[in-house]
Amino acid sequence: VQLVESGGGLVQPGGSLRLSCATSGFTFSSYEMNWVRQAPGKGLEWISYISSSGTTIYYADSVKGRFTISRDNAKNSLFLEMSSLRAEDTAVYYCARDFSRITYWGQGSLVTVSS
Amino acid sequence: DIQVTQSPSSLSASVGDTITITCRASQTITNHLNWYQQKPGKAPKLLIFAISFLQSGVPPRFSGSGSGTDFTLTISSLQAEDLGTYYCQQSYSIPYTFGQGTKVQIK
Repeated sequence: VQLVESGGGLVQPGGSLRLSCATSGFTFSSYEMNWVRQAPGKGLEWISYISSSGTTIYYADSVKGRFTISRDNAKNSLFLEMSSLRAEDTAVYYCARDFSRITYWGQGSLVTVSS
Repeated sequence: DIQVTQSPSSLSASVGDTITITCRASQTITNHLNWYQQKPGKAPKLLIFAISFLQSGVPPRFSGSGSGTDFTLTISSLQAEDLGTYYCQQSYSIPYTFGQGTKVQIK
């Protein structure tokens, strides 16, 4: 099982960014997926969930209305579209498999929101 | 949202010691409690799920217990490679919240 995030970087406050997670080693279309983030020196924060089919989606209140999770089961990929970014969104963003217990994590992608 | 509080926030122990980390939820979460280990600079790793079930490949020196709102992670015979930060997580109610973490250092 491999989860590889990409798309992180430096963005100005109010800007947008799209994270991708390329997966391999398992049948992607059969698994629930999440994004979890970790601000520098801080703890873990679950931010979004998507069901295996993509029909059920949840967000943490901290990102609701600004972030959009999606998936492409044909391409074994997970996405996080982030807009109206704030300084407090600065974090390492992890792609994570499963929901009731997260069994696999990507290596993370750093997003820095700063002018 | 269910709040999850861990204690202590950090601890230092010697190789061979037994250490205990506690996690308290703000309401009952039945058996929906997981533990993760995060080593410096790495992604978290699932150690224990559903209070006491060891994830595949995790050494048996790790164990979990508890019920309702109070839970415990115990590491018996602490090893040098066990340094890192440990997080509990409730998976009873969305949003699935994590504790603030317990940093384990080796003396």
